[in-house]
Amino acid sequence: GQQLNQSPQSMFIQEGEDVSMNCTSSSIFNTWLWYKQDPGEGPVLLIALYKAGELTSNGRLTAQFGITRKDSFLNISASIPSDVGIYFCAGHDSGGGADGLTFGKGTHLIIQP
Amino acid sequence: DAGVIQSPRHEVTEMGQEVTLRCKPISGHNSLFWYRQTMMRGLELLIYFNNNVPIDDSGMPEDRFSAKMPNASFSTLKIQPSEPRDSAVYFCASSFSWGLNYEQYFGPGTRLTVT
Repeated sequence: GQQLNQSPQSMFIQEGEDVSMNCTSSSIFNTWLWYKQDPGEGPVLLIALYKAGELTSNGRLTAQFGITRKDSFLNISASIPSDVGIYFCAGHDSGGGADGLTFGKGTHLIIQP
Repeated sequence: DAGVIQSPRHEVTEMGQEVTLRCKPISGHNSLFWYRQTMMRGLELLIYFNNNVPIDDSGMPEDRFSAKMPNASFSTLKIQPSEPRDSAVYFCASSFSWGLNYEQYFGPGTRLTVT
């Protein structure tokens, strides 16, 4: 099956810094989604991307659907304490007929005081 | 609008007991997904339904796991008998599947501990 590599695994940053994380897949995806999970809660959808090259923003978050359709990036500008959590990328394989998503292992974002 | 509702939020049971997890999807959504999350394996898709019909159950670990969706507003995931290695957080998610829309919305999860 397809593999999804998400990096970095964790990030230790100072409040106010910008954050970048990415995902790469072994196959072509037709959809990329980015989720955030807070402790004890379910993942919450942040941004959905549907076209290669697409750049979409949601407040301080910006995500891009890679032109090769095998990668996606999420940037967070001017991080604040409530940005702490685990960020997951997820994608749908264009060669798959099923509706299931493949998830990355997550990026743990930790903001140091 | 209410999101995906799961119950119970926490379940502690002894090995060998039957466990039933419940999910109410977002009204109007036609696809429902069951996931399991562990530190080691991350988020794994167990099974998903479209219009109440199971479409892909290849992620169900073994015969001890079963899932049903008797109607559009309710689904259960049952483990019988439960084992300590089943301890994990189980999520239900729903979506309105059309065209290339794969946006899934997750419930708060059920944290299962099997002792």
